[in-house]
Amino acid sequence: AQTVTQSQPEMSVQEAETVTLSCTYDTSESDYYLFWYKQPPSRQMILVIRQEAYKQQNATENRFSVNFQKAAKSFSLKISDSQLGDAAMYFCAYSKNTGFQKLVFGTGTRLLVSP
Amino acid sequence: GAGVSQSPSNKVTEKGKDVELRCDPISGHTALYWYRQSLGQGLEFLIYFQGNSAPDKSGLPSDRFSAERTGGSVSTLTIQRTQQEDSAVYLCASSPGTSGSRQFFGPGTRLTVL
Repeated sequence: AQTVTQSQPEMSVQEAETVTLSCTYDTSESDYYLFWYKQPPSRQMILVIRQEAYKQQNATENRFSVNFQKAAKSFSLKISDSQLGDAAMYFCAYSKNTGFQKLVFGTGTRLLVSP
Repeated sequence: GAGVSQSPSNKVTEKGKDVELRCDPISGHTALYWYRQSLGQGLEFLIYFQGNSAPDKSGLPSDRFSAERTGGSVSTLTIQRTQQEDSAVYLCASSPGTSGSRQFFGPGTRLTVL
């Protein structure tokens, strides 16, 4: 079974600084997707970034980038120039690329952003 | 609205009552997922629909839980004889159903069983 582990229950960062959230996963599949979702207090899960396992290049979306280390099964999220609006729960998630693609989530990291 | 909608937003019920939670996916999305978010269990998959069929119901926690989808659109999650451990946020997501496609989430229904 696939598992996703987030070892940081909470992280803090100051505005304009950079923070990295960690995620490791376990799977025997070779083809899969990894995601970072953001969940603000409104409860709405918002996709931040997505990485396809067969692509070696790390995904980037504006201030958000990932460090994908396939051999180490590591998938960290870097947030640059942090903003107050980045404060939220962040979930790392995995899905296979075959069959139906349910998401397997980590336990989440709460990100606090201070002025 | 172009997003996934869920109703009700919040539901408070008494132990032993039945509840129905509704999900309206994005128009044209063939895949629909239900997840549960609780303090003790984190985010867990419940059931997946492709069209009106549910190929995998293995995430449903007990036979008190059932779900259906009609017309390839709206889905209803029903919990019979609710228990306090059913208290959680129930999230619905839809996607186009193609490989690697993004899942779009609704705002969830917060269920509280007294």
